[in-house]
Amino acid sequence: SQKIEQNSEALNIQEGKTATLTCNYTNYSPAYLQWYRQDPGRGPVFLLLIRENEKEKRKERLKVTFDTTLKQSLFHITASQPADSATYLCALGNAGNMLTFGGGTRLMVKP
Amino acid sequence: DAGVIQSPRHEVTEMGQEVTLRCKPISGHDYLFWYRQTMMRGLELLIYFNNNVPIDDSGMPEDRFSAKMPNASFSTLKIQPSEPRDSAVYFCASSLVGLSPYEQYFGPGTRLTVT
Repeated sequence: SQKIEQNSEALNIQEGKTATLTCNYTNYSPAYLQWYRQDPGRGPVFLLLIRENEKEKRKERLKVTFDTTLKQSLFHITASQPADSATYLCALGNAGNMLTFGGGTRLMVKP
Repeated sequence: DAGVIQSPRHEVTEMGQEVTLRCKPISGHDYLFWYRQTMMRGLELLIYFNNNVPIDDSGMPEDRFSAKMPNASFSTLKIQPSEPRDSAVYFCASSLVGLSPYEQYFGPGTRLTVT
């Protein structure tokens, strides 16, 4: 069966460092992968999309890589700030616009 | 735009009662999704619509759950009868494929508690 794994343990880092979150998947051939941010009590907010034929995408302090051979995506936040503290969800999508979400990783950036 | 609007924000009901959750998608969006989020199972897709037509309802857990989209600006998710295991946060999301393909805009969610 399809499986998407994100580290369920919280990631604690110091302000200014680079946060790296991992999304691994099995039994899935996604057309694209997305990353969302979710704050407590709120709905997820879209951050980045990367397609299966793309290796890397950047947006301001965010960088996403996508390795379809390893079946893995890495999400990087450079120069992290306490305001980046949130839960980050990866989601795999097919051509039909359906998304399957991972369980999310909670990021805590300490000042 | 006000974004995706969901009501109510919180719902507490007793087991066996009917529950109706409501969603107003972003104007002009052609896809609407209903999700359920719990600590144990994460964010799960229940059903989605394209141009008001249900496309995939394979995530709907049981016949107790039903969803409708009578027009482009309104959708409901109904649970009848409700059970304690239905307690979760229910999200509605919408998207417009032509604008930024596959980016979904989520509402604030409805926190449902069934006692």
